[in-house]
Formats: sequence, C-alpha cells, structure tokens
Amino acid sequence: GEDVEQSLFLSVREGDSSVINCTYTDSSSTYLYWYKQEPGAGLQLLTYIFSNMDMKQDQRLTVLLNKKDKHLSLRIADTQTGDSAIYFCAEIQTGANNLFFGTGTRLTVIP
Amino acid sequence: EAGVAQSPRYKIIEKRQSVAFWCNPISGHATLYWYQQILGQGPKLLIQFQNNGVVDDSQLPKDRFSAERLKGVDSTLKIQPAKLEDSAVYLCATSPPGLAGFEQYFGPGTRLTVT
Repeated sequence: GEDVEQSLFLSVREGDSSVINCTYTDSSSTYLYWYKQEPGAGLQLLTYIFSNMDMKQDQRLTVLLNKKDKHLSLRIADTQTGDSAIYFCAEIQTGANNLFFGTGTRLTVIP
Repeated sequence: EAGVAQSPRYKIIEKRQSVAFWCNPISGHATLYWYQQILGQGPKLLIQFQNNGVVDDSQLPKDRFSAERLKGVDSTLKIQPAKLEDSAVYLCATSPPGLAGFEQYFGPGTRLTVT
C-alpha cells in the first residue's frame, strides 16, 4: 500500500526548531519529499531524499530518514513566521513516477 | 522561467452542472499531472500525461471526469456532471524531460465549490 501518515498540527515559537514527522508503509519507496503549501498557493518542493540516504541538510532544513522504521522527519531550524504553512510528506515508489502524499501537517509559528 | 499556470482560480457551480479547468505547463515539460486535493487531505493523482498520451488514469472517475492534452502542451480537465463531493482544489503539476515524477512543479490550483 501507499499510506503516508502525518500528525495534523504543530505549533512552535518563533526562533525554536520545528520537527515534522511522517511515516510511510511502502518499503519500495525510492524518493521521499517534503512540500510546503501556503494558503491559496500550490505546492512548493522544499527538499527530497533518496532512500539510500539517512540524512540531508539544506540551509535551515534537515531531513532524516529511518528506512527500517519507515519514518521521515523534517527539521526546520530557527523557525520564522513565514514558515507557517502546511507541510506534506510524499513518496515515489519503485516503478512508479507519481507522488503519494500524506495528509499534511499544519505548522503554526507563534511570534 | 514562468511557472505552471492554471485558470480559473476559483469556480462555484451547482451540482449536475459542467466545469472545465485549464493548465499551461512550464515550457518544455513533457509530463503533466492533475491532482485532486480535498480540504484537509493531501493531493491525490487523477491522471498523468506524457506529452499527449495518457500514462496513468487509474484513479480518474471516468464516468464524469475527462482530461485531454492536445499537442502535448496545454491540458484541460472536465467534470460533467459535477457532484457535491467534487468540491476540492484541482492542482496541475509538470515535470521536465527525464525527471518525470522526481521533480514536479505545481500550479496554484483551481478551487471548485459545488453547491
């Protein structure tokens, strides 16, 4: 199956770190993605990680992948009010080339 | 580089009416996707085109939904007749050649409300 699960809400204070978690069930996933969706806007690709990696860092973003537990996380350092949005985890499975999305986590940054 | 364009941005129709959405991809992007995003959920793939051919339409409710991509560029998605449960945001995404699926660029979406 291609179930991708996320917690629905997360609130953090400005300047703190945010950690958004995702679990997936399909062990054949090849690439895993994080997308950001701001109100009224489409999805913006933030970062992605290949399944043979366990960490990827890109400026304030750190992606951790635990393939054994099928767990993906996105850490945002020094969270800003502009980071308030819905964050979607998504996967592509071997042999497929379309994305399966999670339900999204709404991140609220409190000034 | 211009992004993926979609129109209209918002549409309100009554049930049993018809509606059409339009997508203009990023220039040169061969792969085009239509997703349906119901409020509170992640996007779900409806149909995928490679140039003007359909790659995957297994999740498209073909009794009421249709899509085409004439000349392998612009695409239209049609619903006829609409049901209340079709209320959602319809997202178009495209991928550059050789990177189908791996890099998807999304348009702003069309928000459909069926009353």
